[in-house]
Amino acid sequence: KQEVTQIPAALSVPEGENLVLNCSFTDSAIYNLQWFRQDPGKGLTSLLLIQSSQREQTSGRLNASLDKSSGRSTLYIAASQPGDSATYLCAVYRDGGSQGNLIFGKGTKLSVKP
Amino acid sequence: DAGVIQSPRHEVTEMGQEVTLRCKPISGHDYLFWYRQTMMRGLELLIYFNNNVPIDDSGMPEDRFSAKMPNASFSTLKIQPSEPRDSAVYFCASSQGQIYGYTFGSGTRLTVV
Repeated sequence: KQEVTQIPAALSVPEGENLVLNCSFTDSAIYNLQWFRQDPGKGLTSLLLIQSSQREQTSGRLNASLDKSSGRSTLYIAASQPGDSATYLCAVYRDGGSQGNLIFGKGTKLSVKP
Repeated sequence: DAGVIQSPRHEVTEMGQEVTLRCKPISGHDYLFWYRQTMMRGLELLIYFNNNVPIDDSGMPEDRFSAKMPNASFSTLKIQPSEPRDSAVYFCASSQGQIYGYTFGSGTRLTVV
């Protein structure tokens, strides 16, 4: 059974710091991986989608990497800002099989202090 | 595009009452998913549809839960009768396929008292 773990569960950093959020999954047979952001009381906003053939994706100050063999992904946020404060969720798509196999981690709650 | 639209945003109901949550997927997306989010269990897939047909409902917790998708632009999730343990945020998402990822709605926060 695929399990997705995100460490740490919560993180507080001063504004301007570069930071890394970690995601690990137990079954390396994944199709692709998606990082989301969730603001309090809001829905999920897609940040980056990494296809299984890719090793990383970049969008602005965000960079996500994927290492299927080790079952890990990282989300790097450069020059963090208070507006980055949110919960970041990692989700993996199972390789082949049912479309519905999107498994989520429980997220890392990030707080960026001014 | 307005994205995935869910209604209502908030619902407070008494135990035993029927609750209906609604979702309008993004036009052209042929997959629709219902998820439930709680503090204890995180995000859990309840059911998903492909071309309006239910494909996997193994995540539906009990017979009290049912979902329908009468056409490509509308889906409902119904709970009858509702119980306090059903209190959660319910999300709807749609997709063109795994390669494109999912788009989520803003969710419905359900409170059963």
